Amino acid sequence: DIVMTQTPSSQAVSAGEKVTMSCKSSQSLLYSENKKNYLAWYQQKPGQSPKLLISWASTRESGVPDRFIGSGSGTDFTLTISSVQAEDLAVYYCEQYYDTPWTFGGGTKLELK
Amino acid sequence: EVQLVESGGGLVQPGSSLKLSCVASGFTFSNYGMNWIRQAPKKGLEWIALIYYDSSNKYYADSVKGRFTISRDNSKNTLYLEMNSLRSEDTAMYYCAVGYPPDYWGQGVMVTVSS
Repeated sequence: DIVMTQTPSSQAVSAGEKVTMSCKSSQSLLYSENKKNYLAWYQQKPGQSPKLLISWASTRESGVPDRFIGSGSGTDFTLTISSVQAEDLAVYYCEQYYDTPWTFGGGTKLELK
Repeated sequence: EVQLVESGGGLVQPGSSLKLSCVASGFTFSNYGMNWIRQAPKKGLEWIALIYYDSSNKYYADSVKGRFTISRDNSKNTLYLEMNSLRSEDTAMYYCAVGYPPDYWGQGVMVTVSS
């Protein structure tokens, strides 16, 4: 199984701050035939279902603010929030869908400083 | 608007069975693969099963393989998860979700396995 490791597990932030979080996979998520990385990012707020923010490592879903930026390739990926807003306080998960069983990272919890 | 509504959860004893349903609307259900993903209380997300749009392929996490069965009825726009030999570690919120990667998710249904 592909192991997904997210760091940090939690991060205290202030509004307006730039935030980065990491996701590393135990094997490459880059499919050579189409040059796509099979990596997604989700946001989960308390009491809510997860929401897909980014697919294919860097493609923002419709309606997702452009302050959310996904980057990386192969085994190393990053989610950046360019200027954190109060409504961004949540847990963020990465997920690989390169191979079953699809696997999630343990999550990064953004908290208010 | 895409809607996914799960049902069928509840409190059950270890060793018992339960069948979850997920009714879909707002999209052409028969065109999309579907997933079940669960989340134990205060824990992270665990993908547990995937079924192709035409039921031609099904995949499971090792933790549920041989005990859980994913199925669908495209005429009823409904996804199912049949769960047998339930264990305390199956206690979780169960979500159905569309596609790969899973983009739209339901609100979830709680399954509690306890004596």
